[in-house]
Amino acid sequence: GAVVSQHPSRVICKSGTSVKIECRSLDFQATTMFWYRQFPKQSLMLMATSNEGSKATYEQGVEKDKFLINHASLTLSTLTVTSAHPEDSSFYICSARDNLVYGYTFGSGTRLTVV
Amino acid sequence: AQSVAQPEDQVNVAEGNPLTVKCTYSVSGNPYLFWYVQYPNRGLQFLLKYITGDNLVKGSYGFEAEFNKSQTSFHLKKPSALVSDSALYFCAVRDGLTGGGNKLTFGTGTQLKVEL
Repeated sequence: GAVVSQHPSRVICKSGTSVKIECRSLDFQATTMFWYRQFPKQSLMLMATSNEGSKATYEQGVEKDKFLINHASLTLSTLTVTSAHPEDSSFYICSARDNLVYGYTFGSGTRLTVV
Repeated sequence: AQSVAQPEDQVNVAEGNPLTVKCTYSVSGNPYLFWYVQYPNRGLQFLLKYITGDNLVKGSYGFEAEFNKSQTSFHLKKPSALVSDSALYFCAVRDGLTGGGNKLTFGTGTQLKVEL
């Protein structure tokens, strides 16, 4: 089946630094990937949709200069949290449209803690 | 706009009893409906989906869901709950309308607790 690998699974960084999270489709080509943020005991909030070879589409209220998304190949999308602050601490999950009919496969998530 | 409602924050059930996790939706076109399960600090695992065809959809781990167009519902069910089913369950919808985009909209999640 379709597999999406996301790493790191956990990262702790200092306030003001940048962190990169990778999302890879291992056995299929993902022209479209999605980045979500999840707060404790809450639902997934879509941050942006990334399309291979083009600029990401950000949801309303998401700062595109703070959350940089790059989808340079059909198997890799990255999310960089720039100048991270404690309020950016959250669980980030990526997802990709897989080769099943209207299927979506999710990564295992990244727990970001900014100290 | 598309939306999903999961009216119950938590569902408690005894092991061996049937369980139901409720979901209702709203879309402009035909709905594509999904159920996912999430264990602590993990991503979402796919359980089942409805795109077209039979209203009763069977999925992973003995779960099933019934699409009810008139009630705009897609409730998740399992005949006999296991303690290991305890997790957070999300219902999601995508608008099947052409040009509606690929985005999934998620409900707020329902915490299922199965007790001995």
